[in-house]
Amino acid sequence: DGGITQSPKYLFRKEGQNVTLSCEQNLNHDAMYWYRQDPGQGLRLIYYSQIVNDFQKGDIAEGYSVSREKKESFPLTVTSAQKNPTAFYLCASSRYRLGNYGYTFGSGTRLTVV
Amino acid sequence: QKEVEQNSGPLSVPEGAIASLNCTYSDRGSQSFFWYRQYSGKSPELIMSIYSNGDKEDGRFTAQLNKASQYVSLLIRDSQPSDSATYLCAVNPGNQFYFGTGTSLTVIP
Repeated sequence: DGGITQSPKYLFRKEGQNVTLSCEQNLNHDAMYWYRQDPGQGLRLIYYSQIVNDFQKGDIAEGYSVSREKKESFPLTVTSAQKNPTAFYLCASSRYRLGNYGYTFGSGTRLTVV
Repeated sequence: QKEVEQNSGPLSVPEGAIASLNCTYSDRGSQSFFWYRQYSGKSPELIMSIYSNGDKEDGRFTAQLNKASQYVSLLIRDSQPSDSATYLCAVNPGNQFYFGTGTSLTVIP
C-alpha cells in the first residue's frame, strides 16, 4: 500500500544534540512538507520541497535543516539551535499542483527533550 | 490576524445529532479548502475538500463554502461516538496550506 512512513515514532533528545527525523513516501508525490504541532497552536510549516534538490523555508525554519536528495525521502534535522524542540512532528506529501490536492500525512514523530 | 481561525471548542453533541464546525479565513485569494480529522495522538486524515461556493456532500459529511463571507463549515449528520476528534480546517491561498488550531468535538452516547 502507498503511504508515508515516519520514524522513529518517539525520539528523545539531550540538550545540545542534533537529531534526524526520517520521512519516506512511495506515493510518487512531488511535494513534501514538514510541520510542527504544539498544543493549542495548530500546525506550523517548517520546510517544504516541491522537487528533488530544492527546498524552501516555512514559517518556523530556524533551528531546523532538511535535504531532498531523492524524491521519496525528506529527512528533517532538529539542530541544537532549536531551543524548544519538544513537539509532534508531521511529514506530509502532495501532488505538485498543490491547489488541487490535499496532503497525505505520515503517522508523526513525537520529540521530547530530556 | 491569523490566516485561519476556528472555535477551539470543546463542542459536545449527543449521539445522532448534527455537529456544526466553522472556520473563517483571511486571504480572499484562497482557492482550495480542506477538513481534516485528528484523533488524539494521531496524525490528521483528510475527510473533505471543497473548491467552489455551495455545499459538497460525502456520506454523513457536508462541507459548505462561502467565499464572499470567507468562511467554510463542516456538518456531521447522525453524529457517532467515533466522530469524537479534533477537526482541522486548512486553507490554501496559493503556495502553502494554513491550518486552524482545530475544534475539539465530543459525541456523547
